[in-house]
Amino acid sequence: NAGVTQTPKFRVLKTGQSMTLLCAQDMNHEYMYWYRQDPGMGLRLIHYSVGEGTTAKGEVPDGYNVSRLKKQNFLLGLESAAPSQTSVYFCASSRTGVETQYFGPGTRLLVL
Amino acid sequence: RKEVEQDPGPFNVPEGATVAFNCTYSNSASQSFFWYRQDCRKEPKLLMSVYSSGNEDGRFTAQLNRASQYISLLIRDSKLSDSATYLCVVNELGDMRFGAGTRLTVKP
Repeated sequence: NAGVTQTPKFRVLKTGQSMTLLCAQDMNHEYMYWYRQDPGMGLRLIHYSVGEGTTAKGEVPDGYNVSRLKKQNFLLGLESAAPSQTSVYFCASSRTGVETQYFGPGTRLLVL
Repeated sequence: RKEVEQDPGPFNVPEGATVAFNCTYSNSASQSFFWYRQDCRKEPKLLMSVYSSGNEDGRFTAQLNRASQYISLLIRDSKLSDSATYLCVVNELGDMRFGAGTRLTVKP
């Protein structure tokens, strides 16, 4: 039981490049989330999903897209990376929307 | 005004000390409350849920005051391994709101 896994762990991009971050969970959770964490700020929700095939915008969705084609996977895409997207990205999952969230180990992204 | 506010610290305490953190939240309709722990360069992990009647888990005690809209975390007999950032989390109608965290360093 791996819990929540994220790939890659670290990535450097140039401005304008695109990339996809992959999140996978093996707990059969319905809810999945993508957050970013910046120094001095709390985790901010980018997008989330309440089940396979669904996605919704969070607090800071601009510049990101997501897809949830399979229940266990939640992908976060950056179509044209900007330096402001330099951050640590965490994926999380939960059984319901009000219960404990379990986090992946994070992806550190640097956009030059 | 931030929805979930915490004193960022840092709190520097000696081993064996008792330390308390507070967190205030702005939405009175908030439903559930948690304390998470985050070690440096690691993911947040659930420390404990916070129940209306207050709850204790070993050296850790969490309390909720709905009238004043704050939650607290008390750590007794601090250990070096308690050094971490403690995140206050409030669930508002399905939306998890995270505080920026309070950093604790326990020194020998």
